[in-house]
Amino acid sequence: AQKVTQAQTEISVVEKEDVTLDCVYETRDTTYYLFWYKQPPSGELVFLIRRNSFDEQNEISGRYSWNFQKSTSSFNFTITASQVVDSAVYFCALSDSWGKLQFGAGTQVVVTP
Amino acid sequence: DVKVTQSSRYLVKRTGEKVFLECVQDMDHENMFWYRQDPGLGLRLIYFSYDVKMKEKGDIPEGYSVSREKKERFSLILESASTNQTSMYLCASRWGTGGREQFFGPGTRLTVL
Repeated sequence: AQKVTQAQTEISVVEKEDVTLDCVYETRDTTYYLFWYKQPPSGELVFLIRRNSFDEQNEISGRYSWNFQKSTSSFNFTITASQVVDSAVYFCALSDSWGKLQFGAGTQVVVTP
Repeated sequence: DVKVTQSSRYLVKRTGEKVFLECVQDMDHENMFWYRQDPGLGLRLIYFSYDVKMKEKGDIPEGYSVSREKKERFSLILESASTNQTSMYLCASRWGTGGREQFFGPGTRLTVL
């Protein structure tokens, strides 16, 4: 069975600090996909990033970056120079090749001015 | 932009009532999903559908049923609502196979009294 663990329940930072969100996953599949979604107070989940199991290259997209390490089954996500608008719940999710998503419990990020 | 709409943002029902939650997407996606979101548990898959009139059980289907008579519409049905079904319900759609992101609606917060 697939499992996603987000050990951090809530992270509070002051604006312009960096925030790193941890995600650890379990799967027996060799082909799988990892996602990060953001849920602002309005409630609608917004897709942020995706990685497949064959691509461990880490990238930066604007203020977002991610660190995918198959050896430790981790898919961590960093927001650089946080802003108040980054305040939201962030979900890590794991998908098998059929597309069934398994979500972590979520991490609440609070950015104060 | 993909648009996923849900019939109600807030809904209050009484125990034993039959409840219909409607979801419509406008991008001709084959796949549609229903999740419930509870604090500390993340999102859990109730049912999904990969084509018209096709449905598959997710992780927590008990007490729910679904209907997909048209490609753009996916309905979640609570045959006899119970208080433990009080939750946030999120609908999502996706084009193609598992590596692509799901697009979410704004959610329906259901309270069963």
